[in-house]
Amino acid sequence: QQQVKQSPQSLIVQKGGISIINCAYENTAFDYFPWYQQFPGKGPALLIAIRPDVSEKKEGRFTISFNKSAKQFSLHIMDSQPGDSATYFCAASIASGTYKYIFGTGTRLKVLA
Amino acid sequence: ETGVTQSPTHLIKTRGQQVTLRCSSQSGHNTVSWYQQALGQGPQFIFQYYREEENGRGNFPPRFSGLQFPNYSSELNVNALELDDSALYLCASSVQGRTEAFFGQGTRLTVV
Repeated sequence: QQQVKQSPQSLIVQKGGISIINCAYENTAFDYFPWYQQFPGKGPALLIAIRPDVSEKKEGRFTISFNKSAKQFSLHIMDSQPGDSATYFCAASIASGTYKYIFGTGTRLKVLA
Repeated sequence: ETGVTQSPTHLIKTRGQQVTLRCSSQSGHNTVSWYQQALGQGPQFIFQYYREEENGRGNFPPRFSGLQFPNYSSELNVNALELDDSALYLCASSVQGRTEAFFGQGTRLTVV
């Protein structure tokens, strides 16, 4: 119940295309869902996050779509650029107590020039 | 840059040895969490420190221990190193009561 399942494991997109990464969770107590971007040899960097009281959040080219009933959320990267090539992790936490994050297994995105 | 700094960046240790990793949290942050990221995997929560006390622990054995200091910096100690302890160790700082966490660049530990 503590798992966050992420797909696909890897993704190749043409420059200018849309990258879509999906995550699903079981624990309905989760109430904070961040996405992190990680480049090789670096720590994860917070990209965008959403709470379950909204169905969509957009920041620049990055959009999170959230489906509370399906217990799924996804990251959309519009106009994907070669500089977006990185590994993306979704995560979930409960906004009380330790606020520990449960991470998905990651999606390696490659954007072709 | 998040303002979270970790040292050292890389470390090689022999099985059975002990290791100490360090983390300086972002200014204004009072909570530090440690994660282990095995190659090709997502980070796994080890434990969290707040007010110099352990404030939650993941599924890691007692040979993983930590400290938090009055300036909110933190150490992760691992005793009796095993080959499977080879991973990227990440420190994340946050403000207690707020969900956003910011990660350092990590310490790559290799156990041989």
